[in-house]
Amino acid sequence: QAGLTQPPSVSSDLRQTATLTCIGDSNTVGNQGAAWLQQHQGHPPKLLSYRNNNRPSGISERFSASRSGNTASLTITGLQPEDEADYYCSAWDSSLSGWVFGGGTKLTVL
Amino acid sequence: EVQLVESGGGLVQPGESLRLSCEASGFTFTNHWMHWVRQAPGKGLVWVSHIDGDGIATNYAGSVKGRFTMSRDNAKNTLYLQMDSLRVEDTAVYYCAKEAGSLEVWGQGAMVTVSS
Repeated sequence: QAGLTQPPSVSSDLRQTATLTCIGDSNTVGNQGAAWLQQHQGHPPKLLSYRNNNRPSGISERFSASRSGNTASLTITGLQPEDEADYYCSAWDSSLSGWVFGGGTKLTVL
Repeated sequence: EVQLVESGGGLVQPGESLRLSCEASGFTFTNHWMHWVRQAPGKGLVWVSHIDGDGIATNYAGSVKGRFTMSRDNAKNTLYLQMDSLRVEDTAVYYCAKEAGSLEVWGQGAMVTVSS
């Protein structure tokens, strides 16, 4: 079962901007922030950002993350066909002492 | 280059056991907590367990507690997940992941199928 809440799907036009959201609580997103993962069909997840807006080396600046209270957001600008994928938010749950994930958002680039 | 390579997946019957391995390279293995995360076919990611760098502290999701045991051999840079009393609902791709502030690097996954 998902500990964080994400919309099942989001669609946006090529070269436009998409914003994905993730709702947690004070034990998760509101505590240490959220990380965002991208997963293409048949591949393992890939970290896009962590602790709200830190990008690992090699991740495009088109991906930016933020947090407001218990809600995290991932904004993808200049959408490309290869951005079509499933996106998961994750956060450390201090009450469970484990990671929790959102149910994932399927991003469609029109 | 940081790499995680899982092995040991397969098809088993309900009630049977299986042990997954995850061989790590490209980083100082003992410095990092490690995790197992699973993904049932067509479903989302679910955290399974974690272990600290020394292999002393572990924690498990409620759905696997008492049936799964996570361990590590730091001399071999290898992580393990012993899965006993497997159930049909344990069917999933199992990923090992390196933690560095988040689940930073993931292996390619090992498929475990539990079916009669």
